[in-house]
Amino acid sequence: GAVVSQHPSWVICKSGTSVKIECRSLDFQATTMFWYRQFPKQSLMLMATSNEGSKATYEQGVEKDKFLINHASLTLSTLTVTSAHPEDSSFYICSALLSSGDGAFFGQGTRLTVV
Amino acid sequence: QQQVKQSPQSLIVQKGGISIINCAYENTAFDYFPWYQQFPGKGPALLIAIRPDVSEKKEGRFTISFNKSAKQFSLHIMDSQPGDSATYFCAALSGGYQKVTFGTGTKLQVIP
Repeated sequence: GAVVSQHPSWVICKSGTSVKIECRSLDFQATTMFWYRQFPKQSLMLMATSNEGSKATYEQGVEKDKFLINHASLTLSTLTVTSAHPEDSSFYICSALLSSGDGAFFGQGTRLTVV
Repeated sequence: QQQVKQSPQSLIVQKGGISIINCAYENTAFDYFPWYQQFPGKGPALLIAIRPDVSEKKEGRFTISFNKSAKQFSLHIMDSQPGDSATYFCAALSGGYQKVTFGTGTKLQVIP
């Protein structure tokens, strides 16, 4: 299957700082990427849809000024958690959509811990 | 609104047994149904997927059964192994595949 690489796999940051997470599609071009947040023992919660060359579409309740998404190329989308607080600690996962429609592939996830 | 309902929430199966996870959907616009396997601390991995024009798809020990009229689909894991212990998510996508709608997940534990 297609490969999606997410970096870093884990990060610890101080409260008030910003953290950037990268999501790359390694062997295909992705015009659409998605960012999810997953709490322990729960399903994935869609945060936003990232479209190459245009502004991201955020789900209801997700602060766009706090979770900045940039999809500058067909193989890279980034999520920046700005002014992070302990309640932002979570598992963040990206996925990229095949243009053929044959499914979405996920990155390895990023465990963010804000102290 | 939960558009894809998944059950059971957790499942314990003995090694060699059959694991069965069920999902039901509401939106008839869904036309692609993948199953994902997720290990702790990892992202979901695509396991197997089906389109509504077929009633069954088999890949190795994994089989999807699809009932379009009932709007239900299920994952069967034959000869379950301890290495299959993970959380399984069913999902659904609609035309244009702009979003993946996930089920709530099933934590499977295969005991020796």
